[in-house]
Amino acid sequence: EPEVTQTPSHQVTQMGQEVILRCVPISNHLYFYWYRQILGQKVEFLVSFYNNEISEKSEIFDDQFSVERPDGSNFTLKIRSTKLEDSAMYFCASSEGQGANYEQYFGPGTRLTVT
Amino acid sequence: AQSVTQLGSHVSVSEGALVLLRCNYSSSVPPYLFWYVQYPNQGLQLLLKYTSAATLVKGINDFEAEFKKSETSFHLTKPSAHMSDAAEYFCAVRLYNQGGKLIFGQGTELSVKP
Repeated sequence: EPEVTQTPSHQVTQMGQEVILRCVPISNHLYFYWYRQILGQKVEFLVSFYNNEISEKSEIFDDQFSVERPDGSNFTLKIRSTKLEDSAMYFCASSEGQGANYEQYFGPGTRLTVT
Repeated sequence: AQSVTQLGSHVSVSEGALVLLRCNYSSSVPPYLFWYVQYPNQGLQLLLKYTSAATLVKGINDFEAEFKKSETSFHLTKPSAHMSDAAEYFCAVRLYNQGGKLIFGQGTELSVKP
């Protein structure tokens, strides 16, 4: 069964460093998402991406964040200058369409630890 | 603004007992509602969804949920818990006119005792 994959599973970085979290969505999917979950808190929507551009972003997704689909298979989330409060589990998701009948498939997540 | 509240961050049941995980939503327009499950070291997996058809929705592994508009609830139930049901469960809402963004509750960890 096709699945969304994410690498690395765990990333440790120092405050102020740039990190890139990578996701490989399911191959025929057209809509891509990033969510994050700070330890003990809710899963929060960050951004959605379609047709090579951001379709929606949350207040969390400020200028420090960017997304890219560099090669037609990977979908990346970049944090330009990490802060302690960026420590969280980051989930990538993809779906074939955007209607309610289209399931979002989630990857296993990348745990980002900023020290 | 829409939101989701899951009552109880941790629920413990005995094997064979009824599972009831509570979810209440707040939405100004008709919502789509979802339950996801997360097993350790895995991604979120869709259990079931409500998309304005039948109010009683059946999902995988004998889970079901009932949409009750009057109570703004979408509680998840399973008649008989299995050890393999131990996981984190997330309720989520999506608005039909707001793209694919999911808004999640804080999650409920289900433990199953032998």
